Amino acid sequence: GEDVEQSLFLSVREGDSSVINCTYTDSSSTYLYWYKQEPGAGLQLLTYIFSNMDMKQDQRLTVLLNKKDKHLSLRIADTQTGDSAIYFCAESFTGGGNKLTFGTGTQLKVEL
Amino acid sequence: ETGVTQSPTHLIKTRGQQVTLRCSSQSGHNTVSWYQQALGQGPQFIFQYYREEENGRGNFPPRFSGLQFPNYSSELNVNALELDDSALYLCASSVRDSNADTQYFGPGTRLTVL
Repeated sequence: GEDVEQSLFLSVREGDSSVINCTYTDSSSTYLYWYKQEPGAGLQLLTYIFSNMDMKQDQRLTVLLNKKDKHLSLRIADTQTGDSAIYFCAESFTGGGNKLTFGTGTQLKVEL
Repeated sequence: ETGVTQSPTHLIKTRGQQVTLRCSSQSGHNTVSWYQQALGQGPQFIFQYYREEENGRGNFPPRFSGLQFPNYSSELNVNALELDDSALYLCASSVRDSNADTQYFGPGTRLTVL
């Protein structure tokens, strides 16, 4: 079945790195995504990784994928107050009609 | 800004009423997906439209229905509203079979059912 889990909260100091974790159960996932949601807003696509990749870096963002353990992480370097938001991981899979299955979201709070 | 727009922004209805939500997809995108996001939860897939036909549906009852128009814009209709239908409704547009099938979301419509 499909199930995506995330820890609910993460608090970091400005300038530190943040690591947001996600586990999923569907081994046939094709792509895994990270979205950011600010209060009262829609979802902003941050980055995605194809399931045959281990790592992807995009400026301050690094995505790590451990397919054996079905574990996905998002590292934000030099975290800023503007990074405070809810972060969702999501998976899609071949034959799934491109439906995204989302986790419950991790609320990141960046403190000065 | 993704170029995906939704209307209205907010809506208040009473139980038993019907509602229509609208979505305009990003230019060049031919697929629209709808999601329901209850407070404190992740979005849940309702259905997807491609070439004006439903192309995949989540675990939602038939009173949730939709349309896609030749210009790829879309509507979500919900009949016989229930209190639990109160949520943020998000649409996302994409290009079918493109690289990663990445979906770009609109700002959402906040529906409150009283």
